[in-house]
Amino acid sequence: DAMVIQNPRYQVTQFGKPVTLSCSQTLNHNVMYWYQQKSSQAPKLLFHYYDKDFNNEADTPDNFQSRRPNTSFCFLDIRSPGLGDAAMYLCATSRWDRAYEQYFGPGTRLTVT
Amino acid sequence: GIQVEQSPPDLILQEGANSTLRCNFSDSVNNLQWFHQNPWGQLINLFYIPSGTKQNGRLSATTVATERYSLLYISSSQTTDSGVYFCAANEKLTFGTGTRLTIIP
Repeated sequence: DAMVIQNPRYQVTQFGKPVTLSCSQTLNHNVMYWYQQKSSQAPKLLFHYYDKDFNNEADTPDNFQSRRPNTSFCFLDIRSPGLGDAAMYLCATSRWDRAYEQYFGPGTRLTVT
Repeated sequence: GIQVEQSPPDLILQEGANSTLRCNFSDSVNNLQWFHQNPWGQLINLFYIPSGTKQNGRLSATTVATERYSLLYISSSQTTDSGVYFCAANEKLTFGTGTRLTIIP
Protein backbone atom coordinates (compact mmCIF):
# COMPACT_ATOMS: atom_id res chain seq x y z
CA ASP A 1 0.00 0.00 0.00
CA ALA A 2 1.20 3.49 -0.81
CA MET A 3 1.87 5.32 2.40
CA VAL A 4 3.72 7.88 4.48
CA ILE A 5 6.13 6.44 7.02
CA GLN A 6 7.72 8.20 9.95
CA ASN A 7 10.60 6.95 12.04
CA PRO A 8 11.00 6.67 14.88
CA ARG A 9 7.47 6.79 16.33
CA TYR A 10 8.85 7.91 19.68
CA GLN A 11 12.06 9.86 20.19
CA VAL A 12 13.64 11.02 23.41
CA THR A 13 16.43 13.56 23.28
CA GLN A 14 18.26 15.69 25.79
CA PHE A 15 17.99 19.43 26.07
CA GLY A 16 20.32 20.95 23.47
CA LYS A 17 21.22 17.66 21.77
CA PRO A 18 20.53 17.72 18.01
CA VAL A 19 17.89 15.31 16.79
CA THR A 20 16.69 14.22 13.35
CA LEU A 21 13.25 12.89 12.50
CA SER A 22 12.63 11.13 9.22
CA CYS A 23 9.75 10.75 6.82
CA SER A 24 9.47 8.63 3.71
CA GLN A 25 6.68 8.17 1.21
CA THR A 26 5.76 5.70 -1.49
CA LEU A 27 3.12 7.95 -3.05
CA ASN A 28 5.59 9.72 -5.36
CA HIS A 29 4.13 13.08 -4.33
CA ASN A 30 5.94 16.30 -5.22
CA VAL A 31 5.14 18.09 -1.99
CA MET A 32 6.16 17.12 1.53
CA TYR A 33 5.17 18.98 4.68
CA TRP A 34 6.28 19.06 8.31
CA TYR A 35 3.82 20.02 11.04
CA GLN A 36 4.34 20.49 14.75
CA GLN A 37 1.49 19.58 17.08
CA LYS A 38 1.77 20.42 20.76
CA SER A 39 -0.44 18.82 23.35
CA SER A 40 -4.14 19.67 22.94
CA GLN A 41 -3.41 21.99 20.00
CA ALA A 42 -3.98 21.83 16.28
CA PRO A 43 -1.13 20.94 13.93
CA LYS A 44 0.94 23.93 12.83
CA LEU A 45 2.81 23.98 9.52
CA LEU A 46 6.57 24.46 9.91
CA PHE A 47 7.66 24.24 6.28
CA HIS A 48 7.15 22.33 3.09
CA TYR A 49 9.07 21.22 0.03
CA TYR A 50 7.73 21.54 -3.46
CA ASP A 51 10.13 19.10 -5.12
CA LYS A 52 13.48 20.51 -3.91
CA ASP A 53 12.13 24.03 -3.42
CA PHE A 54 12.07 24.74 0.33
CA ASN A 55 9.30 26.95 1.74
CA ASN A 56 9.61 28.09 5.33
CA GLU A 57 6.68 29.47 7.32
CA ALA A 58 7.40 32.98 8.61
CA ASP A 59 7.14 32.05 12.27
CA THR A 60 9.12 28.80 12.18
CA PRO A 61 12.10 29.13 14.55
CA ASP A 62 15.61 28.97 13.06
CA ASN A 63 16.25 25.99 15.32
CA PHE A 64 14.21 23.90 12.87
CA GLN A 65 15.76 22.85 9.58
CA SER A 66 14.81 20.37 6.90
CA ARG A 67 16.43 18.35 4.15
CA ARG A 68 14.94 16.54 1.22
CA PRO A 69 17.63 14.46 -0.51
CA ASN A 70 15.19 12.87 -2.97
CA THR A 71 11.48 12.60 -3.74
CA SER A 72 10.88 9.85 -1.22
CA PHE A 73 12.62 11.16 1.88
CA CYS A 74 12.41 14.27 4.00
CA PHE A 75 14.14 15.00 7.31
CA LEU A 76 13.40 17.38 10.14
CA ASP A 77 16.47 18.53 12.06
CA ILE A 78 16.15 20.26 15.40
CA ARG A 79 19.54 21.78 16.10
CA SER A 80 19.23 22.51 19.80
CA PRO A 81 15.98 21.16 21.20
CA GLY A 82 14.43 23.02 24.09
CA LEU A 83 11.75 21.79 26.46
CA GLY A 84 9.22 23.77 24.42
CA ASP A 85 9.97 21.68 21.34
CA ALA A 86 8.42 18.58 22.88
CA ALA A 87 5.54 17.77 20.55
CA MET A 88 4.17 15.40 17.95
CA TYR A 89 5.80 15.99 14.57
CA LEU A 90 3.66 15.08 11.59
CA CYS A 91 4.83 14.59 8.04
CA ALA A 92 2.40 14.88 5.14
CA THR A 93 2.57 14.65 1.37
CA SER A 94 0.46 15.81 -1.54
CA ARG A 95 0.49 16.20 -5.29
CA TRP A 96 1.45 19.68 -6.41
CA ASP A 97 -1.96 20.20 -8.06
CA ARG A 98 -3.95 18.80 -5.12
CA ALA A 99 -2.31 20.48 -2.16
CA TYR A 100 -5.62 20.33 -0.31
CA GLU A 101 -5.45 16.53 -0.30
CA GLN A 102 -2.65 15.79 2.13
CA TYR A 103 -1.76 12.33 3.37
CA PHE A 104 -0.35 12.20 6.88
CA GLY A 105 2.14 9.84 8.46
CA PRO A 106 1.59 8.42 11.95
CA GLY A 107 3.80 11.07 13.56
CA THR A 108 6.87 11.06 15.79
CA ARG A 109 6.34 12.01 19.41
CA LEU A 110 9.39 13.90 20.64
CA THR A 111 10.24 14.14 24.32
CA VAL A 112 12.97 16.52 25.51
CA THR A 113 14.55 15.75 28.88
CA GLY B 1 -5.10 35.14 8.07
CA ILE B 2 -8.21 33.05 8.19
CA GLN B 3 -9.53 31.97 11.60
CA VAL B 4 -11.12 28.56 12.00
CA GLU B 5 -13.17 27.82 15.10
CA GLN B 6 -14.78 24.53 16.05
CA SER B 7 -17.53 23.70 18.49
CA PRO B 8 -18.06 22.14 20.87
CA PRO B 9 -14.49 21.76 22.18
CA ASP B 10 -15.40 18.56 24.02
CA LEU B 11 -18.21 16.08 23.54
CA ILE B 12 -18.92 12.94 25.57
CA LEU B 13 -21.58 10.58 24.26
CA GLN B 14 -22.93 7.14 24.87
CA GLU B 15 -22.28 4.53 22.21
CA GLY B 16 -25.05 4.61 19.62
CA ALA B 17 -25.74 8.33 19.93
CA ASN B 18 -25.61 10.80 17.05
CA SER B 19 -23.51 13.96 17.04
CA THR B 20 -22.97 17.14 15.07
CA LEU B 21 -19.65 18.96 15.03
CA ARG B 22 -19.38 22.49 13.71
CA CYS B 23 -16.60 24.39 11.97
CA ASN B 24 -16.82 28.16 11.39
CA PHE B 25 -14.34 30.04 9.24
CA SER B 26 -13.77 33.77 9.11
CA ASP B 27 -13.29 34.17 5.37
CA SER B 28 -14.21 32.44 2.15
CA VAL B 29 -12.32 29.22 1.53
CA ASN B 30 -11.32 27.28 -1.56
CA ASN B 31 -10.91 24.08 0.39
CA LEU B 32 -12.38 22.57 3.54
CA GLN B 33 -11.42 19.23 4.97
CA TRP B 34 -12.39 17.16 7.97
CA PHE B 35 -9.85 14.96 9.75
CA HIS B 36 -10.06 12.45 12.56
CA GLN B 37 -7.01 12.16 14.81
CA ASN B 38 -7.11 8.84 16.61
CA PRO B 39 -5.77 8.39 20.16
CA TRP B 40 -2.37 7.36 18.73
CA GLY B 41 -2.00 10.61 16.83
CA GLN B 42 -2.70 9.46 13.28
CA LEU B 43 -4.57 12.06 11.23
CA ILE B 44 -7.04 10.48 8.87
CA ASN B 45 -8.67 12.42 6.08
CA LEU B 46 -12.46 12.05 6.29
CA PHE B 47 -13.84 14.47 3.73
CA TYR B 48 -12.71 17.03 1.23
CA ILE B 49 -15.77 19.25 1.08
CA PRO B 50 -15.41 22.89 -0.06
CA SER B 51 -19.18 22.99 -0.61
CA GLY B 52 -22.22 20.73 -0.65
CA THR B 53 -22.85 17.45 1.15
CA LYS B 54 -21.00 14.13 1.16
CA GLN B 55 -21.66 10.88 2.95
CA ASN B 56 -19.42 7.98 3.81
CA GLY B 57 -21.09 5.27 5.86
CA ARG B 58 -22.09 6.65 9.25
CA LEU B 59 -20.36 9.94 8.59
CA SER B 60 -21.56 12.82 6.50
CA ALA B 61 -20.48 16.42 6.05
CA THR B 62 -22.06 19.58 4.76
CA THR B 63 -20.34 22.86 3.91
CA VAL B 64 -22.30 26.05 3.34
CA ALA B 65 -19.55 28.18 1.88
CA THR B 66 -21.69 31.33 1.58
CA GLU B 67 -22.38 31.22 5.32
CA ARG B 68 -18.84 30.15 6.21
CA TYR B 69 -19.49 26.98 8.12
CA SER B 70 -19.23 23.23 7.80
CA LEU B 71 -20.88 20.45 9.79
CA LEU B 72 -19.74 16.89 10.41
CA TYR B 73 -22.43 14.38 11.39
CA ILE B 74 -21.64 11.11 13.08
CA SER B 75 -24.51 8.67 13.45
CA SER B 76 -24.70 5.57 15.67
CA SER B 77 -21.40 6.41 17.37
CA GLN B 78 -18.92 3.65 18.14
CA THR B 79 -16.04 3.69 20.61
CA THR B 80 -13.63 3.73 17.67
CA ASP B 81 -15.01 7.15 16.74
CA SER B 82 -13.28 8.60 19.81
CA GLY B 83 -10.49 11.06 19.16
CA VAL B 84 -10.12 14.64 18.02
CA TYR B 85 -11.88 15.95 14.93
CA PHE B 86 -10.29 18.82 13.05
CA CYS B 87 -11.52 20.84 10.17
CA ALA B 88 -8.89 22.59 8.04
CA ALA B 89 -9.31 25.35 5.51
CA ASN B 90 -7.53 26.20 2.29
CA GLU B 91 -4.57 24.57 0.61
CA LYS B 92 -2.17 25.44 3.42
CA LEU B 93 -4.50 23.65 5.83
CA THR B 94 -5.24 26.19 8.51
CA PHE B 95 -6.54 23.84 11.19
CA GLY B 96 -9.44 24.58 13.47
CA THR B 97 -9.34 24.35 17.22
CA GLY B 98 -10.60 20.76 17.25
CA THR B 99 -13.44 18.86 18.94
CA ARG B 100 -12.47 16.06 21.31
CA LEU B 101 -15.08 13.30 21.05
CA THR B 102 -15.28 10.56 23.66
CA ILE B 103 -17.68 7.67 23.09
CA ILE B 104 -18.52 5.70 26.24
CA PRO B 105 -19.49 2.02 25.86
